Amino acid sequence: SQKIEQNSEALNIQEGKTATLTCNYTNYSPAYLQWYRQDPGRGPVFLLLIRENEKEKRKERLKVTFDTTLKQSLFHITASQPADSATYLCALVRGGSYIPTFGRGTSLIVHP
Amino acid sequence: ETGVTQSPTHLIKTRGQQVTLRCSSQSGHNTVSWYQQALGQGPQFIFQYYREEENGRGNFPPRFSGLQFPNYSSELNVNALELDDSALYLCASSLMMGDGETQYFGPGTRLLVL
Repeated sequence: SQKIEQNSEALNIQEGKTATLTCNYTNYSPAYLQWYRQDPGRGPVFLLLIRENEKEKRKERLKVTFDTTLKQSLFHITASQPADSATYLCALVRGGSYIPTFGRGTSLIVHP
Repeated sequence: ETGVTQSPTHLIKTRGQQVTLRCSSQSGHNTVSWYQQALGQGPQFIFQYYREEENGRGNFPPRFSGLQFPNYSSELNVNALELDDSALYLCASSLMMGDGETQYFGPGTRLLVL
């Protein structure tokens, strides 16, 4: 069956370090992948989209990589700040579909 | 803020009751999707409406139904509520139904079924 895996354990890092979050998938051929941020009690907020033919995307302190051979996406936040603390969700979209399938998310905690 | 609003913010119902949740999409957006998010899980797709027509449905029973109105606002109705329906219900709007279209989520309605 199709599966999207994000680390269920929270990631704790010190302010200023680079946070790296992982999204692995099986039995899936995504046309593109999205990353969202979700704060407690709020809806997800779209951050970045990367397509299957793209290796890397950047936006300010954010970087996403997409390896369709490894079936993995990495999400990096450089120079992390306590305000980056949130849950980060990856979502995959199959070709021909507009509907994202979400992972369960990974909680990031940035300590001052 | 995304411009997507949902009401009510919180709701408590008992098993067997019916509930209607409402969503106003961002101005100019003609596509609305509904998701259920259980605690500690990612959002699960319920269904999507495009220009008042249902366009895609996730693995949810028929007691989950919806509507989209001419102004593109939307309702989610759930009949015969079960305890497992307790969750955060999110709606998301997008400018159009299309490849790579960004979805803008509302703050959600927290439903508790007792």
